[in-house]
Amino acid sequence: AQTVTQSQPEMSVQEAETVTLSCTYDTSESDYYLFWYKQPPSRQMILVIRQEAYKQQNATENRFSVNFQKAAKSFSLKISDSQLGDAAMYFCAYRSANSGYALNFGKGTSLLVTP
Amino acid sequence: GAVVSQHPSWVICKSGTSVKIECRSLDFQATTMFWYRQFPKQSLMLMATSNEGSKATYEQGVEKDKFLINHASLTLSTLTVTSAHPEDSSFYICSARPLGSGGNEQFFGPGTRLTVL
Repeated sequence: AQTVTQSQPEMSVQEAETVTLSCTYDTSESDYYLFWYKQPPSRQMILVIRQEAYKQQNATENRFSVNFQKAAKSFSLKISDSQLGDAAMYFCAYRSANSGYALNFGKGTSLLVTP
Repeated sequence: GAVVSQHPSWVICKSGTSVKIECRSLDFQATTMFWYRQFPKQSLMLMATSNEGSKATYEQGVEKDKFLINHASLTLSTLTVTSAHPEDSSFYICSARPLGSGGNEQFFGPGTRLTVL
């Protein structure tokens, strides 16, 4: 089974600064998808960004970008120009391309944004 | 678009009673819906995968007789917690995969908080 590890239970960043959240995963598959989800206090899961493993180019969505290192099985999320509204739990997730569509989540990182 | 609703948003019940939670895709059809459980300050753990018109597939350690899942239509899946006990208190979240999406998209409901007294 694939495991997803987020080694930072909590992170803090000042408004307008940049922060990087770490995620590593363990898999024997070559084809898969990786995601970052945001869960604000409302508990609604929001997709932040996704990456297809077959793509070498790192995904980018406005202020959010990833550093995908397939050989190292690393998938970090960089948030630039942090805003107060970015404060939330962030979950890294893995989905196999070959066996079902369910997501396997990491334990999450709580991001605090200070003024 | 791509809205998933859950009802109720929160429920309190007595130990030994059954509780039904509905998950609806409001503006799309979903061949597959997933049920997750999230304990306080923890991650989402997959409980089961529900495919329309067929039996749900449960993850290891999840009691299928306790957590009954019905996916009777392309827009509705229900999770019934039977004979609920305090240890079943948790946040239950569903997600839905749109028909024909290829699996890259799945949309989450807002969750249901269950408290068993």
